[in-house]
Amino acid sequence: SQTIHQWPATLVQPVGSPLSLECTVEGTSNPNLYWYRQAAGRGLQLLFYSVGIGQISSEVPQNLSASRPQDRQFILSSKKLLLSDSGFYLCAWRDGRGTEAFFGQGTRLTVV
Amino acid sequence: QKEVEQDPGPLSVPEGAIVSLNCTYSNSAFQYFMWYRQYSRKGPELLMYTYSSGNKEDGRFTAQVDKSSKYISLFIRDSQPSDSATYLCAMSPYSSASKIIFGSGTRLSIRP
Repeated sequence: SQTIHQWPATLVQPVGSPLSLECTVEGTSNPNLYWYRQAAGRGLQLLFYSVGIGQISSEVPQNLSASRPQDRQFILSSKKLLLSDSGFYLCAWRDGRGTEAFFGQGTRLTVV
Repeated sequence: QKEVEQDPGPLSVPEGAIVSLNCTYSNSAFQYFMWYRQYSRKGPELLMYTYSSGNKEDGRFTAQVDKSSKYISLFIRDSQPSDSATYLCAMSPYSSASKIIFGSGTRLSIRP
């Protein structure tokens, strides 16, 4: 069966520090991968999605970036965090048929 | 105009009631429709997935899609306190390389 791992679960970082969040999927190949951000009490905002290694589509221009160095690995990064980057970051995957998506348990990021 | 509109609630109903949750959308290319349940501080959990128009039933849950009206619904029968959560609708076009767009979520509370 397929599983998705996302870490860390919580993170507190100072303003201006770098960020690296990692997501990996097991039990499938060539998945579509997604990064979402959820502000408190709000819906999911799509940040990036990827249909293959090295292929990244950006939805929201900001100081975040994403990379997909391996088929089942998706990384969200920032060189310098802003207070406004605080939120709940969720990674998701769906298979190549384009059906339903499955989420990781999220990373709660607080920038102080 | 947002691509997907969802009433944020909160919605409070007594235990045993039938709950109706709804979303409207503007993009006629959407073909896949999903409902997720999200408990506080957790990743969204897939509840129902439907393709194109029609109904789909799974236990106490029924999903309906009316593409002519660009309107989708999730019905919960015999609601339980454990159903208290935020419910998110999501949809995407018919393409494996497409993004998934979410509604803002409806917060539901079931009173014992």
